[in-house]
Amino acid sequence: QKEVEQDPGPLSVPEGAIVSLNCTYSNSAFQYFMWYRQYSRKGPELLMYTYSSGNKEDGRFTAQVDKSSKYISLFIRDSQPSDSATYLCAMSGFGGSYIPTFGRGTSLIVHP
Amino acid sequence: DTEVTQTPKHLVMGMTNKKSLKCEQHMGHRAMYWYKQKAKKPPELMFVYSYEKLSINESVPSRFSPECPNSSLLNLHLHALQPEDSALYLCASSRHYNEQFFGPGTRLTVL
Repeated sequence: QKEVEQDPGPLSVPEGAIVSLNCTYSNSAFQYFMWYRQYSRKGPELLMYTYSSGNKEDGRFTAQVDKSSKYISLFIRDSQPSDSATYLCAMSGFGGSYIPTFGRGTSLIVHP
Repeated sequence: DTEVTQTPKHLVMGMTNKKSLKCEQHMGHRAMYWYKQKAKKPPELMFVYSYEKLSINESVPSRFSPECPNSSLLNLHLHALQPEDSALYLCASSRHYNEQFFGPGTRLTVL
């Protein structure tokens, strides 16, 4: 079992839909949770950064962390074609697990 | 300044060439990273520098040689690469070892 599992998709939704992207993990030492957006042939861009459990909102984006279930989510409201990209989750902890471990990324396509 | 810059954007090299990739950040971050990313795969960690000292080398072949001249600069020297080394090479930096900021990458093609 990989430390971080993420469905690669592609996930195809119509413009305006609410998108839910998810990752599960097995390492209970993870405390920091990140979501990156990566457009084709570009570097990943940090979207959301959350410490421990709970929700964090930034504009149309909401990140949720449920440490009891080892499950994290990214919600995108009112999705736009410009949101079409690959979304990578990443997580890290203290001590030996301080370097982020990445999921394989979910490809999102928002069609007009 | 909240960005990581990388040069060149694209690089094509033969297997006998020597070239270097450059990365720069002015956010005062003391950890800097090199990643390799193949198409449709997540970034794969190569090296980590912490306070200008190499702290992690993920068993990368010696044809890749990192260098950190100062706290703002990171280089990756390339020599005798193989076609399978063609990939997007990403530099990242972080204040702490989690929230990483990535550069745009150098797309490397080895002929």
